[in-house]
Amino acid sequence: AQSVAQPEDQVNVAEGNPLTVKCTYSVSGNPYLFWYVQYPNRGLQFLLKYITGDNLVKGSYGFEAEFNKSQTSFHLKKPSALVSDSALYFCAVRDKGTYKYIFGTGTRLKVLA
Amino acid sequence: NAGVTQTPKFQVLKTGQSMTLQCAQDMNHEYMSWYRQDPGMGLRLIHYSVGAGITDQGEVPNGYNVSRSTTEDFPLRLLSAAPSQTSVYFCASSYSGGSEQFFGPGTRLTVL
Repeated sequence: AQSVAQPEDQVNVAEGNPLTVKCTYSVSGNPYLFWYVQYPNRGLQFLLKYITGDNLVKGSYGFEAEFNKSQTSFHLKKPSALVSDSALYFCAVRDKGTYKYIFGTGTRLKVLA
Repeated sequence: NAGVTQTPKFQVLKTGQSMTLQCAQDMNHEYMSWYRQDPGMGLRLIHYSVGAGITDQGEVPNGYNVSRSTTEDFPLRLLSAAPSQTSVYFCASSYSGGSEQFFGPGTRLTVL
C-alpha cells in the first residue's frame, strides 16, 4: 500500500540554524513528490516538487529538498531558518500510475528567535 | 484570478442532515480533489476528478458524493451527516496530475 511517513510531529530549530523536515515514502514505481506548507487557518501552499532529473530540488522561500531513491526519502531543508518559517509542513506523493495523492501527517516547524 | 474558492467557510449541521460544500476554480484546471484534514492524520483524499464527467474515489469516500459537470465546479455532498464527518475540508485543483495543487481556504464543518 502507498504511504508517506513524516516521523517527527514537531521540529524546533533556532533562527539562523539549518533545518530539516523528514519524509519517507512507499509507493510502487517512480513517484511525484511534493512539499506543501500550511499557515494557521489557511489552505496549503506549494513549496516544491520532484518529478524527474536532478535529485536536489529548489523551491519557494529558500527551501530545497533532496530526493533519495535508495532510501525512499524526500527531506525538506533550508540553510538558515526564519521565525516566519514556523508553520505546518506536509509531504505528499502521487503514484505516476494513478491520480491519487497521499499526504503525510504533517510536521510542525517551530523556529525560535 | 480568484484561484480556488470554497463556500461556506463554516457550517454546523445536525446528525442526519445533508449539505453540499461548493468548490470552484477559474484556472481551467483538469484535476480537482477533495480532502479532509483531521488532527494527527494529515490530509486524506475523499474524491477526485481528472476532468469533467470523470470522478473516482480516494482514501475515505464513504458518506460523500461528488460530481463534475463542468471543468470549474466540483461540489462535495454529504448525504447524511455524522459526527465523524466533523473536520476541515479542502478543495484543490491542478493543471495535471503531476503539477502542484492549488488549495482553497477550507470549510470548517461541525456535525452535532
